[in-house]
Amino acid sequence: AQSVTQPDIHITVSEGASLELRCNYSYGATPYLFWYVQSPGQGLQLLLKYFSGDTLVQGIKGFEAEFKRSQSSFNLRKPSVHWSDAAEYFCAVGAPNDYKLSFGAGTTVTVRA
Amino acid sequence: GAGVSQSPSNKVTEKGKDVELRCDPISGHTALYWYRQSLGQGLEFLIYFQGNSAPDKSGLPSDRFSAERTGGSVSTLTIQRTQQEDSAVYLCASSWVASSTDTQYFGPGTRLTVL
Repeated sequence: AQSVTQPDIHITVSEGASLELRCNYSYGATPYLFWYVQSPGQGLQLLLKYFSGDTLVQGIKGFEAEFKRSQSSFNLRKPSVHWSDAAEYFCAVGAPNDYKLSFGAGTTVTVRA
Repeated sequence: GAGVSQSPSNKVTEKGKDVELRCDPISGHTALYWYRQSLGQGLEFLIYFQGNSAPDKSGLPSDRFSAERTGGSVSTLTIQRTQQEDSAVYLCASSWVASSTDTQYFGPGTRLTVL
């Protein structure tokens, strides 16, 4: 079964600084990978997803993620964060021909002025 | 169009009482998922529906938990004889079909507190 580890529980970043959130997955074959964001009181919103092809994926809100098979990682990045990026971020992994997603425990991002 | 809606948004109950949580998926979405989000934990898969059928109930924590979906639309998650460890945010998601390639759209969740 697939699983996801998000090593950082909480990250604080200054507005305008860059952000990188780490995600490591465990799956025997090529996984389907996702990043979701959850703002306070809101449901989860899909930021981006990777199924195959180009390993650098562009998403909404200026986010991107890079799939690195050799490191079993799918880290999320943003060059310059805005105060509105303060939220909880979840990495998830799915398998082909399956329906279930396995989520990491999440990383909470705080943005300071 | 309207997104996934859940009701109530908050529910406080006493240990031993039964609760019902409701999910209204996006119109036309045939797949519906229930997850549980406990403090400091990721999302725990509970059950999913394809149409009105629930092919996989393996995530339900105990036989106190049940779910149904009628008319291929609204779903209800029922927890009987609630325990304090049931306190969590219960999230519902829907998608066009039950596939990991199909984006799941999430509702805002129901925060359940068992006293």
